[in-house]
Amino acid sequence: DAGVIQSPRHEVTEMGQEVTLRCKPISGHDYLFWYRQTMMRGLELLIYFNNNVPIDDSGMPEDRFSAKMPNASFSTLKIQPSEPRDSAVYFCASSPQSGGSGYTFGSGTRLTVV
Amino acid sequence: EDQVTQSPEALRLQEGESSSLNCSYTVSGLRGLFWYRQDPGKGPEFLFTLYSAGEEKEKERLKATLTKKESFLHITAPKPEDSATYLCAVSESGGSNYKLTFGKGTLLTVNP
Repeated sequence: DAGVIQSPRHEVTEMGQEVTLRCKPISGHDYLFWYRQTMMRGLELLIYFNNNVPIDDSGMPEDRFSAKMPNASFSTLKIQPSEPRDSAVYFCASSPQSGGSGYTFGSGTRLTVV
Repeated sequence: EDQVTQSPEALRLQEGESSSLNCSYTVSGLRGLFWYRQDPGKGPEFLFTLYSAGEEKEKERLKATLTKKESFLHITAPKPEDSATYLCAVSESGGSNYKLTFGKGTLLTVNP
């Protein structure tokens, strides 16, 4: 299995532009999570899905952030409009129903908003 | 108040010098406590899950233990390749809550 696949690996954009991050989870995993990592705040959960349905989006910072999971093999996290304070590494992770083996994380997308 | 607090923030060891990392947590009910390793430029990599006080798990030079308030990651005779950030996370019991709350990690450096 190729693991959790995220794209792009790096994204540099100007303030005010729309940014879309993409994630392909491991086949057969029922849960998909989006996290953001910064030096100051560490890893923060933004939103998670179970069987393609959003379960908890309480971590989404504001209405500029949105996430979708149209099918079991694809999810997007969109920021519109982007701001410099959105600069961070965004991770996608997936997990099977049992959850006991923890999440499998992707390699992340490093977002820089200038 | 943080649910998961890790200490120290950074630790520098000589090769072969054993030590421990601490993770203290405050949750109403623990579903599981997780340890991850994160290398620079990569996503966290799963190491262990602990479920109840007294439980221990081992993998090579690493051993994780759990009490009702904290977990320790013991590193025995570390090697330079053990250098990484070690993250602790908790999942609370109740409902269908599978989300993990992470600590900020301990940056471990092992010098040859």
